Amino acid sequence: GENVEQHPSTLSVQEGDSAVIKCTYSDSASNYFPWYKQELGKGPQLIIDIRSNVGEKKDQRIAVTLNKTAKHFSLHITETQPEDSAVYFCAPYGQNFVFGPGTRLSVLP
Amino acid sequence: SQTIHQWPATLVQPVGSPLSLECTVEGTSNPNLYWYRQAAGRGLQLLFYSVGIGQISSEVPQNLSASRPQDRQFILSSKKLLLSDSGFYLCAWSVSGAGTEAFFGQGTRLTVV
Repeated sequence: GENVEQHPSTLSVQEGDSAVIKCTYSDSASNYFPWYKQELGKGPQLIIDIRSNVGEKKDQRIAVTLNKTAKHFSLHITETQPEDSAVYFCAPYGQNFVFGPGTRLSVLP
Repeated sequence: SQTIHQWPATLVQPVGSPLSLECTVEGTSNPNLYWYRQAAGRGLQLLFYSVGIGQISSEVPQNLSASRPQDRQFILSSKKLLLSDSGFYLCAWSVSGAGTEAFFGQGTRLTVV
């Protein structure tokens, strides 16, 4: 089955700095690459996604880059704000969603 | 618009008691349905998924079962709860077919005592 890893597992940044989270996966058949944000006590919500025919996608302060050859994709958050503090999950989709273990991001004011 | 309902929000059950968690989706037809469990501070573990009525795939052998009696209804059950069944249970749906966004319910926090 799909093996998904995320690095780092925790990340603390100063407000205004950038944050990068990397997701590696094993299933070369994966063709959809989303990132989810989970706030305390709530279900995850999609924040950005990318498909295998695209290398990069940006939405305001958030971007995702994909390296399908190396089987990894990354979440980039610029100009971080305290409300970005949450747990972030990648969930590459091949035949099903397999979630990574999560990265806890803390943005310090 | 599509919505997903999951209940109850919190549940405290004694060891050995039965469990039934219900999830319903509105505003779409033939969705893929999922049950995930999340232990405290951990990732999401896929328990069951369904691509149609009566079609259930189990990802992890355990003390739980799932059923899909109607197109937009997904039920998670147990005959006898164990302490290790405690966790945050999440139902989700996605459009059937190729990978698309998964929409999650608000979750049920189950504590087995």
